[in-house]
Amino acid sequence: GQNIDQPTEMTATEGAIVQINCTYQTSGFNGLFWYQQHAGEAPTFLSYNVLDGLEEKGRFSSFLSRSKGYSYLLLKELQMKDSASYLCAVMDSNYQLIWGAGTKLIIKP
Amino acid sequence: GAVVSQHPSWVICKSGTSVKIECRSLDFQATTMFWYRQFPKQSLMLMATSNEGSKATYEQGVEKDKFLINHASLTLSTLTVTSAHPEDSSFYICSARDTGTEVTIYFGEGSWLTVV
Repeated sequence: GQNIDQPTEMTATEGAIVQINCTYQTSGFNGLFWYQQHAGEAPTFLSYNVLDGLEEKGRFSSFLSRSKGYSYLLLKELQMKDSASYLCAVMDSNYQLIWGAGTKLIIKP
Repeated sequence: GAVVSQHPSWVICKSGTSVKIECRSLDFQATTMFWYRQFPKQSLMLMATSNEGSKATYEQGVEKDKFLINHASLTLSTLTVTSAHPEDSSFYICSARDTGTEVTIYFGEGSWLTVV
């Protein structure tokens, strides 16, 4: 079956760096997405990786290793507003998104 | 950038009535749109895949006669919750795949449905 694993919850300190990991097993691969979702709101797009390597976008970076079925989202210079759930999703061979359960990130002052 | 507009953002309806939620891609064409439901503190659950000009594909356990999906144009898909019950109260989110890129997917703002 298809499976996306990411930690349920993480805690980090304001100003620090946090890495949220995501491992996947899917039927085919057409890219991996990271979304941010604040409570009560729809997810917002953060990044899309389809090739191996690191994609940097401001304070957020996303890494992909297709051979290992592994990705991480790196958040630097954490701010209180970064407290949210971070969703990893993989697009399979049918272009369907397979969702992880999300990682709740708690930022402490 | 590309925007997906979902309407209404909030809706309250009486048990037994029907409610329609619209999902529009504003500056791109979307052959495929997706409808999700999210209960509080739970992850997104795909309900159905909506394809322009054809019948929607429903996920297992989703009642197609209760959740009617119409994708009549390349920019509009609608979800109608028929004979709504309190257990249908949830956050409904649509997303649209940009036909031009085939991989980029944008989300609507979501619609809170409360059935009383």
